[in-house]
Amino acid sequence: EVQLVESGGGLVQPGGSLRLSCAASGFTFSSYSMTWVRQAPGKGLEWISYISTSTTTIYYAASVKGRFTISRDNAKNSLYLHMNSLRDEDTAIYYCVRALSADEDYWGQGTLVTVSS
Amino acid sequence: DIQMTQSPSSLSAAVGDRVTITCRASQGINNYLAWYQQKPGKAPKLLIYAASTLQSGVPSRFSGSGSGTDFTLTISSLQPEDVATYYCQKYNSAPFTFGPGTKVDIK
Repeated sequence: EVQLVESGGGLVQPGGSLRLSCAASGFTFSSYSMTWVRQAPGKGLEWISYISTSTTTIYYAASVKGRFTISRDNAKNSLYLHMNSLRDEDTAIYYCVRALSADEDYWGQGTLVTVSS
Repeated sequence: DIQMTQSPSSLSAAVGDRVTITCRASQGINNYLAWYQQKPGKAPKLLIYAASTLQSGVPSRFSGSGSGTDFTLTISSLQPEDVATYYCQKYNSAPFTFGPGTKVDIK
């Protein structure tokens, strides 16, 4: 069974840092591109970052570029999002997604990040 | 960057009604367009990719069409379980932007 389990969310002060993890199981993690998508409370979906299978291609949304870093460890079947200089507007549920927009698209249940003093 | 818009932002329809949601890209994206359904408290679910290809397991009352800049998602006969917010998303090139969403409920 395919599973994506996000962790690492929580309450952090503005300007702080956090690292999100996504543990993958039930499929060959190294064969799939991965994406982070977030959703602020009561708002729509926001695509924030993409990483290819071998990490040769990485993209960021303008809203997080320079502050967030996506990475993966194929040996550990894990995806990461390192978040620095956090702002109030980064408060959201963060979803880990396999193969976004493709027939093997699969989403985790998300982890909540709250940025507040 | 290419902007995605959707209309309407919300709609209310009766069970059995035909429902159409429109998505527009500010520049052409060929058919690199996906549709997602999100129910409250749940992760989004892919309905359609490549503008018109139905994801496995999705009921056939859902269909998608369009190419270039204009796309539509149609629910041929609205069911109570279709109450949700629907998002389009472009994936021809980064950023892989989502539309603002269309909230669908039952009249």
